[in-house]
Amino acid sequence: AQSVTQPDIHITVSEGASLELRCNYSYGATPYLFWYVQSPGQGLQLLLKYFSGDTLVQGIKGFEAEFKRSQSSFNLRKPSVHWSDAAEYFCAVGARDSSYKLIFGSGTRLLVRP
Amino acid sequence: EPEVTQTPSHQVTQMGQEVILRCVPISNHLYFYWYRQILGQKVEFLVSFYNNEISEKSEIFDDQFSVERPDGSNFTLKIRSTKLEDSAMYFCASSPLATQTQYFGPGTRLLVL
Repeated sequence: AQSVTQPDIHITVSEGASLELRCNYSYGATPYLFWYVQSPGQGLQLLLKYFSGDTLVQGIKGFEAEFKRSQSSFNLRKPSVHWSDAAEYFCAVGARDSSYKLIFGSGTRLLVRP
Repeated sequence: EPEVTQTPSHQVTQMGQEVILRCVPISNHLYFYWYRQILGQKVEFLVSFYNNEISEKSEIFDDQFSVERPDGSNFTLKIRSTKLEDSAMYFCASSPLATQTQYFGPGTRLLVL
């Protein structure tokens, strides 16, 4: 069965520090992979996506993610976190079937210390 | 930049009542989706819709739920007889093709009392 695991429920980093949010997936073929961000009370904003090609993808707001097939991972990184990055981050797999529905992880809440 | 819109932003209803959640997808998109997020939980797929029919639905999407695209712009989710456990944030999403990025609306927060 397809699934996404985000092992960290909460992460706290200091402003200016680097960030890595972990995401592991289970899927039988090469998946489509996404990171979305959700600020409190807001909708889901796409940060970046991987469909094929270069395994290091760049997104908005200075985020990047690397697809590692051997580890079934798609970790999100940012070299220097800003206070405005505090939000919930969701990793998702796009199923390559009739509907291409998204399967989400349970999310990681990022807190940023001043 | 085009965006997905949803109305209402909040809805409070009594258990057993019918609710209709509305979405206006991005105009040239062909695939439409509903997801829900119960407070503090992950976002869950409900249903996908293409070419005026459901292409896939989850086990959550039982007979109490229905979707419709009544005209060229709106995409609605109806819950016929709401239950307490239907309280959640409901997100609409659309994509130009199935294999492309889904763009999400801001959500409708539904509270069933």
